[in-house]
Amino acid sequence: GAGVSQSPSNKVTEKGKDVELRCDPISGHTALYWYRQRLGQGLEFLIYFQGNSAPDKSGLPSDRFSAERTGESVSTLTIQRTQQEDSAVYLCASKKVPTSTDTQYFGPGTRLTVL
Amino acid sequence: AQSVSQHNHHVILSEAASLELGCNYSYGGTVNLFWYVQYPGQHLQLLLKYFSGDPLVKGIKGFEAEFIKSKFSFNLRKPSVQWSDTAEYFCAFDRGSTLGRLYFGRGTQLTVWP
Repeated sequence: GAGVSQSPSNKVTEKGKDVELRCDPISGHTALYWYRQRLGQGLEFLIYFQGNSAPDKSGLPSDRFSAERTGESVSTLTIQRTQQEDSAVYLCASKKVPTSTDTQYFGPGTRLTVL
Repeated sequence: AQSVSQHNHHVILSEAASLELGCNYSYGGTVNLFWYVQYPGQHLQLLLKYFSGDPLVKGIKGFEAEFIKSKFSFNLRKPSVQWSDTAEYFCAFDRGSTLGRLYFGRGTQLTVWP
């Protein structure tokens, strides 16, 4: 594809509901990253995939957060029992090879609002 | 812990003024350094990057940045800004490892008045 795509672009949910965010990386990119950006903050790393394995999950803030990736394709980030502090823009990025001098290409993000 | 400090939260300039945005990182090992930009209504995109070699790197739209290892700094510069440079600028680094996760600063909002 032309770039990283994410869906939905906006999501409004009620506290306590589960949400699922989707990321489609650039075709052929083996590495995939999730970040979130809360208002007034920098991007905060959540999880990294190499293929469909996740060697670095250290940024997931709690066990309510989980993510999966199908092969070297789409990834979903699931937040269970959402809380108001989960409100943020969730960004996905992909990279061709994690050890190369290639760069991370970002998607447009999903703006999550928890009421 | 690794972190990035961007000294200015909001910078306001007139067109043709010179720009310098400060960035310092905290990590003692090898790093790759980046500046990303987010124009209004657009997604984050790479402005320039440093991996090795000449510490003065040039990016798109006339931007450049200088890596000063002794100061753990990677400041962004442009000699003459334009109204179209209005955007949010993020400094970031990775540890040059196989994982490649980025550590970001909080961003600097640049507003350029015509």
